[in-house]
Amino acid sequence: SQQGEEDPQALSIQEGENATMNCSYKTSINNLQWYRQNSGRGLVHLILIRSNEREKHSGRLRVTLDTSKKSSSLLITASRAADTASYFCATDVIAYKYIFGTGTRLKVLA
Amino acid sequence: KAGVTQTPRYLIKTRGQQVTLSCSPISGHRSVSWYQQTPGQGLQFLFEYFSETQRNKGNFPGRFSGRQFSNSRSEMNVSTLELGDSALYLCASSDPGQGQETQYFGPGTRLLVL
Repeated sequence: SQQGEEDPQALSIQEGENATMNCSYKTSINNLQWYRQNSGRGLVHLILIRSNEREKHSGRLRVTLDTSKKSSSLLITASRAADTASYFCATDVIAYKYIFGTGTRLKVLA
Repeated sequence: KAGVTQTPRYLIKTRGQQVTLSCSPISGHRSVSWYQQTPGQGLQFLFEYFSETQRNKGNFPGRFSGRQFSNSRSEMNVSTLELGDSALYLCASSDPGQGQETQYFGPGTRLLVL
């Protein structure tokens, strides 16, 4: 079974709105990362948050991590049509092995 | 720096054949990981190599194998192809020795097994 489960599976919003997606995982981690994938292409790294961090920002992205609940959230503020993509969380379940979640498909309508 | 490159980008094979995919990591990156992505199973970890050694592997049958060369380039091989092997195969490089866990992905090789 997947280590990470993203929620929701799909999200459709209007340009300018905020998009929030969540990731839950099962085991202890050292870090959690978020990636974006545009339509069947390679993944692009967005942000990494370590287990001793609670919140991290990068541009319009805000990531939170709650290790007690084994969950993370990714907030994209002021969404743009170019943000349309699938978003995945990845956790390092053991050394040198990252497990990806099921992904959230985000569609931003112009 | 040039990004991660994968060759070929597209491949069509028939059942029973074998296939070799290639991945060239970012210059200086010594870790290469491979993933299989399918609509049904999502992104599944295949294996990870560092300095020509496989350090970890996922739950795939022995038909899936890989190797890494001294220049960090990596190949993965799938023997006796099955229809279910049709997928996007992604490789990613990183340099964990420098404390960077970030993986940089290539564009992938799309394999279709007929």
